Amino acid sequence: EAQVTQNPRYLITVTGKKLTVTCSQNMNHEYMSWYRQDPGLGLRQIYYSMNVEVTDKGDVPEGYKVSRKEKRNFPLILESPSPNQTSLYFCASSSRQGFGSGANVLTFGAGSRLTVL
Amino acid sequence: DAKTTQPPSMDCAEGRAANLPCNHSTISGNEYVYWYRQIHSQGPQYIIHGLKNNETNEMASLIITEDRKSSTLILPHATLRDTAVYYCIVRAQSNFGNEKLTFGTGTRLTIIP
Repeated sequence: EAQVTQNPRYLITVTGKKLTVTCSQNMNHEYMSWYRQDPGLGLRQIYYSMNVEVTDKGDVPEGYKVSRKEKRNFPLILESPSPNQTSLYFCASSSRQGFGSGANVLTFGAGSRLTVL
Repeated sequence: DAKTTQPPSMDCAEGRAANLPCNHSTISGNEYVYWYRQIHSQGPQYIIHGLKNNETNEMASLIITEDRKSSTLILPHATLRDTAVYYCIVRAQSNFGNEKLTFGTGTRLTIIP
């Protein structure tokens, strides 16, 4: 089944303890991205990657790192988590279409709910 | 990307057609209309998209007005599992750029037994 898999799904941690949220897709997609979702603020993009070794900041990158060493994996790293990073996180991927095909269809993972105490 | 306006909430009886409107009066000629939904904190799920013509797939139909300033998502026979927040998103296709989607507040659709 074509999917985006995130782990862990739920995590409670403490301030300053480094953590990684993994994201893996089995669709051979070039493009991957991370979003966070907070009440009243909607979904906001954190980082994105257009291909292996190509990453760039989204709208809210502060406090996060990413890497893209393999096409299928795009981990989100919180080097020193703080309570304001308590949120619901989503990873997404997309196949990049040529001009004119019109398909910017993102496939999202099930989400990772992170609580930082 | 053009801004969209959706009603904050709607109810629909189970088994009936759910019609969700979206206004996008500032849409540009190269911008597509996308619909996604999110079922209670799950990952957003793609439903359908279109440019000018009406579109239909196994999940829904998308009706776009001739002037493209508004559209309607139709779920033909709503079930309880269709209860979700529905997002209408307008954006141009990104050619090898950031595929970011900007989610607004959406419409919370409740299917009533």
